[in-house]
Amino acid sequence: EPEVTQTPSHQVTQMGQEVILRCVPISNHLYFYWYRQILGQKVEFLVSFYNNEISEKSEIFDDQFSVERPDGSNFTLKIRSTKLEDSAMYFCASKGEETQYFGPGTRLLVL
Amino acid sequence: RKEVEQDPGPFNVPEGATVAFNCTYSNSASQSFFWYRQDCRKEPKLLMSVYSSGNEDGRFTAQLNRASQYISLLIRDSKLSDSATYLCVVIGDSNYQLIWGAGTKLIIKP
Repeated sequence: EPEVTQTPSHQVTQMGQEVILRCVPISNHLYFYWYRQILGQKVEFLVSFYNNEISEKSEIFDDQFSVERPDGSNFTLKIRSTKLEDSAMYFCASKGEETQYFGPGTRLLVL
Repeated sequence: RKEVEQDPGPFNVPEGATVAFNCTYSNSASQSFFWYRQDCRKEPKLLMSVYSSGNEDGRFTAQLNRASQYISLLIRDSKLSDSATYLCVVIGDSNYQLIWGAGTKLIIKP
């Protein structure tokens, strides 16, 4: 069964550093998403991406965040200058016709 | 009012019992509804979509009540492996964004 994959599974970084989280969506999907989940809290929408551009983004997704699909398979989330409060699990998802399928997540810890 | 509300639980239920969760949503224009299941520190996984006519998948039954703006999930003959957090998810105004409830934690006890 096709699945969404994410790398790395864990990332530890210093405050102020840039991080890039990588996702490989399911190959025939056209819609891509990033979500985050702070430990013990609800899943929060960050951004959706379709047709090589951002289709929607939340208030969380400020100028420190960017997304890219550099090569037609990878879908990346970049955080330019990480803050302590960026520590969370980051989930990538992709969608074909109806259902969003989630990757296993990247656990980001900002020290 | 929160967009999607769920009772956080935890629901402590003996194995074999029937358990039901409700979830309310605020946007009457919402069109699509889902139940996801999330195990501790793992990604959410789709359990089932919720259709207007209600739908059943084995021990799981989902219902939608548009008039009262809630969806429900019923689990019959609960198993230990059903222990998880159950997330109610609604597609809101846009076609892109899933709006998540905070989840209901279910603990099945032997």
